[in-house]
Amino acid sequence: AQSVTQPDIHITVSEGASLELRCNYSYGATPYLFWYVQSPGQGLQLLLKYFSGDTLVQGIKGFEAEFKRSQSSFNLRKPSVHWSDAAEYFCAVGRYSGTYKYIFGTGTRLKVLA
Amino acid sequence: SQTIHQWPATLVQPVGSPLSLECTVEGTSNPNLYWYRQAAGRGLQLLFYSVGIGQISSEVPQNLSASRPQDRQFILSSKKLLLSDSGFYLCAWSVPHSSGNTIYFGEGSWLTVV
Repeated sequence: AQSVTQPDIHITVSEGASLELRCNYSYGATPYLFWYVQSPGQGLQLLLKYFSGDTLVQGIKGFEAEFKRSQSSFNLRKPSVHWSDAAEYFCAVGRYSGTYKYIFGTGTRLKVLA
Repeated sequence: SQTIHQWPATLVQPVGSPLSLECTVEGTSNPNLYWYRQAAGRGLQLLFYSVGIGQISSEVPQNLSASRPQDRQFILSSKKLLLSDSGFYLCAWSVPHSSGNTIYFGEGSWLTVV
């Protein structure tokens, strides 16, 4: 069965430090991959997505992610974290099964220390 | 541009009362529509999806139902709420074969069953 794993439930970094959030997926074919960010009590905002081509994708707010087929990973990175990046981050896989469905990881909550 | 509206934003309902959450999408035609529920530490669970008017697919058995009376309207309902129905409900949409099948979310509805 298809699945998405975000192994880190919580991550704390200092402002200005680099960030990497991990995401591993299980899917037979090359999936559509997404990262979303959610502020408390809000909906999910799309950060970036990968469908094909260049395996390093750039997103909004200075985030990037790299698709590594050999590792079944799609890790999210940011070189320098800002306090406003504190939120919950979700990795997702889109797959076709009669129609497009999206499977989400359980999320990683990011705390940023001043 | 496309927008999605979801209401009410917050709802407190007694056990056994009915529920109706409504979602509408603007700026697109024939979208796929989704209802997700988010529970703390459990990520997003797909409840229902719809590929067209009157076409509803349920992902998990539960106390809820969904309807799509119009192309861009998706309603989540219950005849009698349970305590376990409490949570954060998110409506979402995607357009097949467009924008890489990206899924976009509304702002969510907080439901507390008391």
